[in-house]
Amino acid sequence: DAGVTQSPTHLIKTRGQQVTLRCSPKSGHDTVSWYQQALGQGPQFIFQYYEEEERQRGNFPDRFSGHQFPNYSSELNVNALLLGDSALYLCASRPPGLASEQYFGPGTRLTVT
Amino acid sequence: QKEVEQDPGPLSVPEGAIVSLNCTYSNSAFQYFMWYRQYSRKGPELLMYTYSSGNKEDGRFTAQVDKSSKYISLFIRDSQPSDSATYLCAMMASGGSNYKLTFGKGTLLTVNP
Repeated sequence: DAGVTQSPTHLIKTRGQQVTLRCSPKSGHDTVSWYQQALGQGPQFIFQYYEEEERQRGNFPDRFSGHQFPNYSSELNVNALLLGDSALYLCASRPPGLASEQYFGPGTRLTVT
Repeated sequence: QKEVEQDPGPLSVPEGAIVSLNCTYSNSAFQYFMWYRQYSRKGPELLMYTYSSGNKEDGRFTAQVDKSSKYISLFIRDSQPSDSATYLCAMMASGGSNYKLTFGKGTLLTVNP
C-alpha cells in the first residue's frame, strides 16, 4: 500500500514565478492538508481540503491556493514567488473519521532564487 | 508566546540511554497530542498520538500528557543509533472541522554507538 506521494521532489524557481505542487493521499484517505516547513522549524499549516473544498486555512496570503480533485489528490499553487517561500512543502492525508491520524508525504523542496 | 514550545536541542546520548523529549503549550483547546519523527530531508513519520491526558506505550516509546501543566513528553527506552532524527511534537484542538496540527520546532536527537 503506497503512502502519501508528492511530486516533484525538488524544484528551483525564480522570484515572481508561479509553482504547482502535487499530492496523492494514502489509499482510503479523503482529507488532504498542506504544510510549509522552513529550515530548522516545525511545519506550519497552510490549508486543508475535504470534499474538493478548502475547509480550514492557516495564516498564509492569498498567493497560496489549492485544489482537490474527485480522486482526493490535491495541488498547491503559489503565485508571485518570494525568496521567503523557499521551504519543504509537505502534504498530509488522513482517513475518514480519524482526525488524529495524519500521515505525511516526503515533501517537495522548493528553492526560490 | 508561541502556542507550542519545544527545546530544539541538539540532544546527544549514548546507545542504550533513556531519552526524554518534552513540549509545553499554551492553548487549552488542544485535545490531541502527537509525536512525529523526521529523518533528514524526509517527511515526518507519525510515531504515537494520545487523546487528552494520560500515558500511552508502544514498544520502546512512551508518550505522556499532563493537561493540568500543559506539558507533554516522549520517552525512548534503550535508544538506538537508528533513533537519531528530529522529533516533532504536534497538537490539535477537537471539534468541528478543525484538524490543523500545530507543531513545535523539533528536537534534534543523536544516539551515539
